[in-house]
Amino acid sequence: GQGVEQPDNLMSVEGTFARVNCTYSTSGFNGLSWYQQREGHAPVFLSYVVLDGLKDSGHFSTFLSRSNGYSYLLLTELQIKDSASYLCAVREGDNYAQGLTFGLGTRVSVFP
Amino acid sequence: DPKIIQKPKYLVAVTGSEKILICEQYLGHNAMYWYRQSAKKPLEFMFSYSYQKLMDNQTASSRFQPQSSKKNHLDLQITALKPDDSATYFCASSQDHSYEQYFGPGTRLTVL
Repeated sequence: GQGVEQPDNLMSVEGTFARVNCTYSTSGFNGLSWYQQREGHAPVFLSYVVLDGLKDSGHFSTFLSRSNGYSYLLLTELQIKDSASYLCAVREGDNYAQGLTFGLGTRVSVFP
Repeated sequence: DPKIIQKPKYLVAVTGSEKILICEQYLGHNAMYWYRQSAKKPLEFMFSYSYQKLMDNQTASSRFQPQSSKKNHLDLQITALKPDDSATYFCASSQDHSYEQYFGPGTRLTVL
């Protein structure tokens, strides 16, 4: 169906990595954003991708495959403070003031 | 200093009443948005404004009315409140031709 899908939860160990998957099926596509949201706080922008491939931003990297409607957020060298929800959001139109279509978010838990 | 101010932080209302949620941004952005986040639901886009003009509206109910008195203000008036309106309402903003949206701290509304 239409929308943005993410797994509910992901657990990982400090010092390793976590890959948060996102699949989307939307009426249009003009880019995909990733946000971090801690409990009781606002979403914080992490990354935006519109071209296929891997975008390396150090601690956070993002991958996009438009033909597959798929993206992932890769968190490397995990720290306990990376425990949070990670939201995937699709921009469907080309209007810059376009609202985003969000997934439910993936809660990442990092353990010592 | 907070760049996006939302007031109040918490709001309790009775069914059938009317409330106004305040949002002011001091980032110099021209586009502003309202989103809603309920338990077990994705962050949901409601409205977007640019230069005080409505750009996109995804809210079916006319009970929700955005009001923009200045370029950096976008308030949200909600009439005939229902318990289902209980949610955290986030205001966001972005700069022209930028896909990065910055979110305010949110107003948590509870309708009894």
